[in-house]
Amino acid sequence: EIVLTQSPATLSLSPGERATLSCRASQSVSSYLAWYQQKPGQAPRLFMYDASKRATGIPPRFSGSGSGTDFTLTISSLEPEDFAVYYCQQRSNWPLTFGGGTKVEIK
Amino acid sequence: EVQLVESGGGLVQPGGSLRLSCAASGFTFSSYEMNWVRQAPGKGLEWVSYITSSGSTIYYADSVKGRFTISRDNAKNSLYLQINTLRAEDTAVYYCARGMGTFDYWGQGTLVTVSS
Repeated sequence: EIVLTQSPATLSLSPGERATLSCRASQSVSSYLAWYQQKPGQAPRLFMYDASKRATGIPPRFSGSGSGTDFTLTISSLEPEDFAVYYCQQRSNWPLTFGGGTKVEIK
Repeated sequence: EVQLVESGGGLVQPGGSLRLSCAASGFTFSSYEMNWVRQAPGKGLEWVSYITSSGSTIYYADSVKGRFTISRDNAKNSLYLQINTLRAEDTAVYYCARGMGTFDYWGQGTLVTVSS
């Protein structure tokens, strides 16, 4: 099973600041990595797929990078609606696995 | 508009069973792979099961293999999860999610609580 480790667990930032979220895989997942945003009481929402492709309706301040074992989700300038939990997920191998999540909170 | 609506959750005793349903609309259900993903209270996401568009290929997480059964009825645009021999650690919100490996649409979830 591929283990995804997300860091940091919590990111405390102010609106307008840049957020950098990390996801590291225990073995290569090529570019088969997605990112999801989840707000309290809501279902997750797909934000990025195949490491760097924005899902429908996702604003360009979100960008993804990486391949192999190291991936990054960057939010260039945080908007109030961006404060949430973000999960990475790999589809390279079965079972599909998620990282433990990074909570982006308002400082 | 793509919609996925889960139902069937509730309170069940350890060792009990439930059948979860997911009603799909707004897309050609029979053309898409589907999944169940769960989230224990206050915890992260865990993929549970996957089924191809025709139902010919199915995968399960090790944690549920032998106890959970995924199925679909393309004529009814519905996805199902039969969950047996429930344990306390199966307590979670269960989401149905569309996609082959990447989940592009999710339902709102149905809560399963396993407790005596």
